[in-house]
Amino acid sequence: EAQVTQNPRYLITVTGKKLTVTCSQNMNHEYMSWYRQDPGLGLRQIYYSMNVEVTDKGDVPEGYKVSRKEKRNFPLILESPSPNQTSLYFCASTALARGANVLTFGAGSRLTVL
Amino acid sequence: AQSVTQPDIHITVSEGASLELRCNYSYGATPYLFWYVQSPGQGLQLLLKYFSGDTLVQGIKGFEAEFKRSQSSFNLRKPSVHWSDAAEYFCAVGATNAGKSTFGDGTTLTVKP
Repeated sequence: EAQVTQNPRYLITVTGKKLTVTCSQNMNHEYMSWYRQDPGLGLRQIYYSMNVEVTDKGDVPEGYKVSRKEKRNFPLILESPSPNQTSLYFCASTALARGANVLTFGAGSRLTVL
Repeated sequence: AQSVTQPDIHITVSEGASLELRCNYSYGATPYLFWYVQSPGQGLQLLLKYFSGDTLVQGIKGFEAEFKRSQSSFNLRKPSVHWSDAAEYFCAVGATNAGKSTFGDGTTLTVKP
C-alpha cells in the first residue's frame, strides 16, 4: 500500500530533550515536506526537500532541523524542544512530474512539550 | 508570494442541504489548486484538484469545485451534504512541478441532523 508513515504518533516530552520524528514513504517520491498544524492557523510548512541532500526552509523553520540522506526518509529533528513547539505535525510527499503535486500525507504526530 | 484565504472559519449546514465552501487564492501564474479534507484524528486526503482544462472539476464523495480566474476563486460545492461530510476542509495552491503547496486556514464543517 502506498503510504507515508510517521513515528511516533503521540509523544509527550520535556523542554530541552532532543527528539526526532521519523517520516518514511514507499512511493519513490522526490518531494517531501513537514507541516505543523495549529488551531486557526491551518498548515504551515516547516521544511521541505526536493530530493536527496536537497532541503530548504519553509515558512516556520525556527527550532527544527531536517535531513534527507535517503529518498524514502525525511526525519524532523527538534534539538531543544520548547512548549511553543507543541503541535500536530504532518509529513507529506509527492512526485514532481508535471501534473503531479498531489500531496500524500502521513497520519500525523501529536507532540506535547512540557 | 502565493497565499490562500478561506473566509469562513466554521460552517453549519443541515443534512441534505447544499454546501459551498469559499476559497480565494493569490498566485502569479496559473496555479495548481487543491481541496483536501481532514476527518477528526486523521491526516489530510485529497478531494479534488485543478491543473488545467475544464474549470469545473469533479472529486471524490460527490464534491466539485469551480476555478474562476477572474475572481481568483476555487469554491468547493456539494449538492446534498451527508453527516459523514463533517470535517475540516483545506484549500491549497501549489506551484507547477515544485511540490510546495500553501494552505488556507481551513473551514470546519458541522452537519446538523
